[in-house]
Amino acid sequence: EAQVTQNPRYLITVTGKKLTVTCSQNMNHEYMSWYRQDPGLGLRQIYYSMNVEVTDKGDVPEGYKVSRKEKRNFPLILESPSPNQTSLYFCASSLQGPYGYTFGSGTRLTVV
Amino acid sequence: GNSVTQMEGPVTLSEEAFLTINCTYTATGYPSLFWYVQYPGEGLQLLLKATKADDKGSNKGFEATYRKETTSFHLEKGSVQVSDSAVYFCALSDRTSGSRLTFGEGTQLTVNP
Repeated sequence: EAQVTQNPRYLITVTGKKLTVTCSQNMNHEYMSWYRQDPGLGLRQIYYSMNVEVTDKGDVPEGYKVSRKEKRNFPLILESPSPNQTSLYFCASSLQGPYGYTFGSGTRLTVV
Repeated sequence: GNSVTQMEGPVTLSEEAFLTINCTYTATGYPSLFWYVQYPGEGLQLLLKATKADDKGSNKGFEATYRKETTSFHLEKGSVQVSDSAVYFCALSDRTSGSRLTFGEGTQLTVNP
């Protein structure tokens, strides 16, 4: 089944403790992206990647890192999480840019 | 910059009612327009899209027409069902923004039996 898989689905952590949210897609898509969803703000892009080793900042990149060492994986790294990064995070992938992104099921992160 | 404005929610309808969710946009180029749907506890799914002016996207009984003159892409359905209850997002992308999707804030739709 074609899908984008994120892990974990839920995560509660403490301020400053480094964490990684994994994202994997099995569709050989070139484009991958991370979004955060917050009430009243909709979805905002954090980082995106157009291919292996090619990444760029989205609208809200501060406090996040990404890497794209292989086509299928696009992990999101929070080196020192803070409470304002409490949010619902989505990974997405696409064969041709934004034309029909496939989204993962989401990761609900709480930073206390 | 690009922006998308959706009608404020939440929207509550009875089954078989007519649905309209308004969406207007601002873009510097010639954007492609999308509607995504998010069912409870799930990720977003592409519902329909239109890539040029006057195109009509349609899927699962939903329709939206790309109106360049009014910079709008309103979502409509003639007869909603309880299973349509979800959050609906209008979004756009244009060639200058590459892979970036700009989303509206989302509209919560609840359909009662």
